[in-house]
Amino acid sequence: QQPVQSPQAVILREGEDAVINCSSSKALYSVHWYRQKHGEAPVFLMILLKGGEQKGHDKISASFNEKKQQSSLYLTASQLSYSGTYFCGTEMGGTASKLTFGTGTRLQVTL
Amino acid sequence: GAVVSQHPSWVICKSGTSVKIECRSLDFQATTMFWYRQFPKQSLMLMATSNEGSKATYEQGVEKDKFLINHASLTLSTLTVTSAHPEDSSFYICSARTGGKNIQYFGAGTRLSVL
Repeated sequence: QQPVQSPQAVILREGEDAVINCSSSKALYSVHWYRQKHGEAPVFLMILLKGGEQKGHDKISASFNEKKQQSSLYLTASQLSYSGTYFCGTEMGGTASKLTFGTGTRLQVTL
Repeated sequence: GAVVSQHPSWVICKSGTSVKIECRSLDFQATTMFWYRQFPKQSLMLMATSNEGSKATYEQGVEKDKFLINHASLTLSTLTVTSAHPEDSSFYICSARTGGKNIQYFGAGTRLSVL
């Protein structure tokens, strides 16, 4: 079953913060975050493994709560380049299993 | 590193013809590649998992005789849409997996338009 992301869409002014959530109905082994710009391929942002870890990449960080089967992506001091659609990809078990992508969150950063 | 090339980026074909899409991992070997389909403003839906040297694993509802997948080498997987129809028009994206953490790197996608 497809993970549900919230919000579906968000508009920010440059410099504002945003949080994108990803919820799964199934137990997760890992969560992957990608950003896709219109007409382009998704770009890998980060992976979180079970264990409740948090990760950061520049001003983008994420957390993974395996008990709640949820992950959140935090965008701090957003830049115009952050605009795009964000997808979480969930993996349920092992290192060879497939990713199921979430419903997506469209983010637009304006001046 | 971890570059995936997909070709062609755009193809227009007549109904009933077949179209082949190539996915190459340029700087790493990929024993597993994935093929996705994406409709406008929607998420990526996995069509099949392509394994080097063996048959692809198709997702439920995906016709394996219509979407032929061949993964003949560690750097190349191909998707052939046979007897394409207008409803097959979509954005097809491949990805290749590298490393033990199942990180997938995506090709730029192929926009297929069937007339």
